[in-house]
Amino acid sequence: RKEVEQDPGPFNVPEGATVAFNCTYSNSASQSFFWYRQDCRKEPKLLMSVYSSGNEDGRFTAQLNRASQYISLLIRDSKLSDSATYLCVGRGAGNMLTFGGGTRLMVKP
Amino acid sequence: GAVVSQHPSWVICKSGTSVKIECRSLDFQATTMFWYRQFPKQSLMLMATSNEGSKATYEQGVEKDKFLINHASLTLSTLTVTSAHPEDSSFYICSARGGGAEYGYTFGSGTRLTVV
Repeated sequence: RKEVEQDPGPFNVPEGATVAFNCTYSNSASQSFFWYRQDCRKEPKLLMSVYSSGNEDGRFTAQLNRASQYISLLIRDSKLSDSATYLCVGRGAGNMLTFGGGTRLMVKP
Repeated sequence: GAVVSQHPSWVICKSGTSVKIECRSLDFQATTMFWYRQFPKQSLMLMATSNEGSKATYEQGVEKDKFLINHASLTLSTLTVTSAHPEDSSFYICSARGGGAEYGYTFGSGTRLTVV
């Protein structure tokens, strides 16, 4: 079983839609979690950190449920520019990052 | 913000040759550098972790004699793919720990290696 698992998608949504991605992790010792965004043939870029209390950054909301070992990302009012692959990432021992396989989002006009 | 400069951004080489990829941290000291590999439609897989002045730690299944890592200074780490084969064709990305980001990781822009 992969340490961080995501639905690969693709999620095809119209502009303005709300879309949610989920991620599960198996290592309960993971210290912190993040959502990264990766565009085709580019390096990953940090979208936001994920906290148990939930955190919001504009149209993006992230949530961590440690009891269920589950992380979510909600995108409201999707834009064409949101089209990308979203990576769920855990940070564990040695400060190493473990990447999920990514969820591909396609926002269409 | 913190920047990691990675070069080259893409390279095509012949089978059997070696390719060196450089990652430089600009304006901060990268005590630890992580090297990742990403095959098409797959996620980033950690290859090795290098600490300045010491030997790199390789992940299981990554040949240390094939992927030579040197982290001789706090601002430069290199990955050399030796005797490259077509199956080594991939996207290689470095990530440095340090700098001003909240989480302390800064990624290079990646190197797309194609071995023909």
